[in-house]
Amino acid sequence: GAVVSQHPSRVICKSGTSVKIECRSLDFQATTMFWYRQFPKQSLMLMATSNEGSKATYEQGVEKDKFLINHASLTLSTLTVTSAHPEDSSFYICSARLVGATGTQYFGPGTRLLVL
Amino acid sequence: AQKVTQAQTEISVVEKEDVTLDCVYETRDTTYYLFWYKQPPSGELVFLIRRNSFDEQNEISGRYSWNFQKSTSSFNFTITASQVVDSAVYFCALSEAPGSGGSNYKLTFGKGTLLTVNP
Repeated sequence: GAVVSQHPSRVICKSGTSVKIECRSLDFQATTMFWYRQFPKQSLMLMATSNEGSKATYEQGVEKDKFLINHASLTLSTLTVTSAHPEDSSFYICSARLVGATGTQYFGPGTRLLVL
Repeated sequence: AQKVTQAQTEISVVEKEDVTLDCVYETRDTTYYLFWYKQPPSGELVFLIRRNSFDEQNEISGRYSWNFQKSTSSFNFTITASQVVDSAVYFCALSEAPGSGGSNYKLTFGKGTLLTVNP
């Protein structure tokens, strides 16, 4: 149980294009999903917290117009990197919080984005 | 503010050795959760354990064991008889808990410890 999927797993795009990444909780409902970014050999950096049916809460320094987040249902959140540039190349990971007292986050397999 | 420190950046051991990964945390919350996650080379974070701040009992799961010491704000992780498949980056994380005013239970991660188990 508590499986989270991400699609695509890997994407290469040209500079200036937009890329959408999907995060799905497959066997549970997640009112809260999180989006992280991870640079090589570094820890995870929280970008934003996504609550179903409401606007995402972005961490300081993260451009909300650059990284659009939509949490349309209890099992799906999407991150769109708009007008991607080479500096946006990174490993993007989502997680979904298991509803209940524990608050455990289960992570997706990540999406490797390369912007040429 | 919450903070998690994993002082060991990299550890290298030979198979079958025991290894302990250190984690020290800081928080002003009275209730909180501590986690360990494993990130193998594939990149996916694998949940290993969650510990409630009120529960200081040590836990053992197969070759894995965890030592939670509230007095020293530490939550160390030991792998007994390490195997090559244990090679990964291990992250310790801290989360606010219900009752602490945290509405979204954000995780604060340590910088991770890269464990390499050599055959």
